[in-house]
Amino acid sequence: TQLLEQSPQFLSIQEGENLTVYCNSSSVFSSLQWYRQEPGEGPVLLVTVVTGGEVKKLKRLTFQFGDARKDSSLHITAAQPGDTGLYLCAECLGGSQGNLIFGKGTKLSVKP
Amino acid sequence: SAVISQKPSRDICQRGTSLTIQCQVDSQVTMMFWYRQQPGQSLTLIATANQGSEATYESGFVIDKFPISRPNLTFSTLTVSNMSPEDSSIYLCSVEGRAVYNEQFFGPGTRLTVL
Repeated sequence: TQLLEQSPQFLSIQEGENLTVYCNSSSVFSSLQWYRQEPGEGPVLLVTVVTGGEVKKLKRLTFQFGDARKDSSLHITAAQPGDTGLYLCAECLGGSQGNLIFGKGTKLSVKP
Repeated sequence: SAVISQKPSRDICQRGTSLTIQCQVDSQVTMMFWYRQQPGQSLTLIATANQGSEATYESGFVIDKFPISRPNLTFSTLTVSNMSPEDSSIYLCSVEGRAVYNEQFFGPGTRLTVL
């Protein structure tokens, strides 16, 4: 069974700082999704990365997919309190629609 | 992206009772999914609900404990039966996004506390 490991588990920073969170696997991803979940809400899809070495940007968020497609990172520049939330990576197990395997997430707190 | 609502948003229930959670989507979708998110944990898929057929349950989840209905292409229910404190979790429904990437869109969740 593929296991997604996310690090760090918790991260507390001041507004304006930069940060990077990671998602790693022992196996090759077919594709990888990043979600953000705010308290009291369901996860919201941020991005899907598909190609090894791919870099995608979403405003202050930069997503990278490792060349070997076994790891991914999310970098946030000049973090804001609105970035606070649980960041989850997810991959589809066995190519079957629906069975997303989620990492345990990185809980980010950005203090003003 | 689909707009998904869930009812109730939260509930506190007594041990041994059952709770039915509703999930409504603003567009017709083929596949709907139910997840559980235990405190401090990530999401675990309970089952896939397809209209017109029985739900498909993941390992560790059974129909007697989590019966699911899918009467049409915009609605599904999940019942948590004979609840115990270990069932205290957030229950989330989701629908398919871009199938080629297995993306999903999630409802806001139902926070269940069992006393």
